[in-house]
Amino acid sequence: KNEVEQSPQNLTAQEGEFITINCSYSVGISALHWLQQHPGGGIVSLFMLSSGKKKHGRLIATINIQEKHSSLHITASHPRDSAVYICAVMETSGSRLTFGEGTQLTVNP
Amino acid sequence: NAGVMQNPRHLVRRRGQEARLRCSPVKGHSHVYWYRQLPEEGLKFMVYLQKENIIDESGMPKERFSAEFPKEGPSILRIQQVVRGDSAAYFCASSPFGQGGLQSSPLHFGNGTRLTVT
Repeated sequence: KNEVEQSPQNLTAQEGEFITINCSYSVGISALHWLQQHPGGGIVSLFMLSSGKKKHGRLIATINIQEKHSSLHITASHPRDSAVYICAVMETSGSRLTFGEGTQLTVNP
Repeated sequence: NAGVMQNPRHLVRRRGQEARLRCSPVKGHSHVYWYRQLPEEGLKFMVYLQKENIIDESGMPKERFSAEFPKEGPSILRIQQVVRGDSAAYFCASSPFGQGGLQSSPLHFGNGTRLTVT
């Protein structure tokens, strides 16, 4: 079992829909990162959080430390949101990020 | 753009040659991380360096791979005697503070170097 599990693996939505991507992890962490990887491969850091909730534009990230679970929400989705979204955790015991396999999001116009 | 700069963007090497991948971190960042993304796989940690020091190389293959981050100049990931299995995207990230324990700071990623071994 991977230390970081994301669901779903693939997600197709219509423009305007509300989207949720989930991430569960099995280790103690100091922080959780949500990343976005576009076709062409560049990676952008969206959020780093260790508790509660953060919002940036149409993106919202939440984390529940007790349940070892985080969600990334996209409101009013747009085709330009199409990308791979990756959850990664920084374990308290180390200095390395462990990544989920990613969720491929496609938003159709 | 003062972000993380990686070069080259694409690198083609024949089996047995050496590959050198460069990463210039965000100005003022002294912590650099290298990650590898094999085709159809997720990202995997390779090595964490702070200026002139290797902090954690537990994700790096023991043979043929080495990394450095000198006092002056970019961080270099070096792969000697490349094999087809080394074909992957190699990403570098930097941060102003270290990661680990109770400390974390946002990471800034480069666009990656795509290595193809023929």
